[in-house]
Amino acid sequence: QVQLVESGGGVVQPGRSLRLSCAASGFTFSTYAMHWVRQPPGKGLEWVAVISYDGSSKYYADSVKGRFTISRDNSKNTLFIQMNSLRVEDRAVYYCVRDAGNRYGAVDYWGQGTLVTVSS
Amino acid sequence: DIVMTQTPFSSPVTLGQPASISCRSSQSLVHTDGNSYLSWLQQRPGQPPRLLIYKISNRFSGVPDRFSGSGAGTYFTLKISRVEAEDVGVYYCMQATQFPHTFGQGTKLEI
Repeated sequence: QVQLVESGGGVVQPGRSLRLSCAASGFTFSTYAMHWVRQPPGKGLEWVAVISYDGSSKYYADSVKGRFTISRDNSKNTLFIQMNSLRVEDRAVYYCVRDAGNRYGAVDYWGQGTLVTVSS
Repeated sequence: DIVMTQTPFSSPVTLGQPASISCRSSQSLVHTDGNSYLSWLQQRPGQPPRLLIYKISNRFSGVPDRFSGSGAGTYFTLKISRVEAEDVGVYYCMQATQFPHTFGQGTKLEI
């Protein structure tokens, strides 16, 4: 079955960096686009970034553009997001999410999420 | 960016009764390929979201048939024919027609 397991969350000071990872299993990772979506505690969902199946295309939300970088290692079935210049408002649970593909035009499987807290 | 607006913000429901959630987009969700990439997700308390409906009206694998989606253009609806206790949670619409993908603010379904 599809499994997405995020790691790397924690507490970090404003202006510092953090790198999240997502280990994927149960499907052919290298054939799926992947997303990061975040959710501040008690609030709604915010789409963050997407990367194509081969890493050649990437798109970002304006709120993170220039600060966050999405990447992937298909040889290790792992998705990453490098988060620099973190702000208090970046505090959220970060979910690794699989793109369901062109046939669906949606996201289908979600990890359990990893919490990032930005605080001095 | 496409703004997604859901109504109501919260919806008290009665078990066994129907429920309906609306979602409006600030611009048409019709893609150049002719499809409308509007989906609905359910987030139960303490859980990550789960895909229910894709491309307006298609139920995802394993989703009970009491869930249905409809709409076109900029106005969409999720209906639950008979609410069950396990349906409690927050429901989100999401558009994937263009980047950035955007979500509605969520509708809390409570018994």
